[in-house]
Amino acid sequence: EPEVTQTPSHQVTQMGQEVILRCVPISNHLYFYWYRQILGQKVEFLVSFYNNEISEKSEIFDDQFSVERPDGSNFTLKIRSTKLEDSAMYFCASSVAGGPGDTQYFGPGTRLTVL
Amino acid sequence: AQSVTQLDSHVSVSEGTPVLLRCNYSSSYSPSLFWYVQHPNKGLQLLLKYTSAATLVKGINGFEAEFKKSETSFHLTKPSAHMSDAAEYFCVGGDTGRRALTFGSGTRLQVQP
Repeated sequence: EPEVTQTPSHQVTQMGQEVILRCVPISNHLYFYWYRQILGQKVEFLVSFYNNEISEKSEIFDDQFSVERPDGSNFTLKIRSTKLEDSAMYFCASSVAGGPGDTQYFGPGTRLTVL
Repeated sequence: AQSVTQLDSHVSVSEGTPVLLRCNYSSSYSPSLFWYVQHPNKGLQLLLKYTSAATLVKGINGFEAEFKKSETSFHLTKPSAHMSDAAEYFCVGGDTGRRALTFGSGTRLQVQP
């Protein structure tokens, strides 16, 4: 069964550094998403992406964050100048369609630790 | 705006006994509701979803959930727990006009032998 994959599984970085989290969505999916979960808190939506554009973003997704689909398979989340509070588990997801009832398939997550 | 509340952060059952994980939602519109499960070091796996068809939804691994509009609830049940059911379970809502999913805080299910 096709799966969403994410690399790396764990990333450690120094405060102020840039990180890129990578995801390979399911191949025939058209909608892509990033969510994050700070330890002890709920999973929160960051951004959705369709047709090479951001289609929805949350308040969390400020200028520090960017997303890109650099080729036909990868979907990346870049965090510029990381802060301690960016430490979290970041989940990538994809779906065939973008409606509220369409199933989003999640990857295993990347644990980001900012020191 | 959609909000989802999972009423128990931790549930412990004995193997072979019923499982009940509780979820309430609030939404201005007809919601889409999902239950996902997360095993350690694995992604979030869809158990089942409700999208305004049948109110009783059957999912994988013997789980089912009933949408009750009058109670704004979408509780997850299973008649007989198995050791492999031990995991974190998330009740998740989708709202009309939005792509973002709204997550509950999660319920950790422990299954005792």
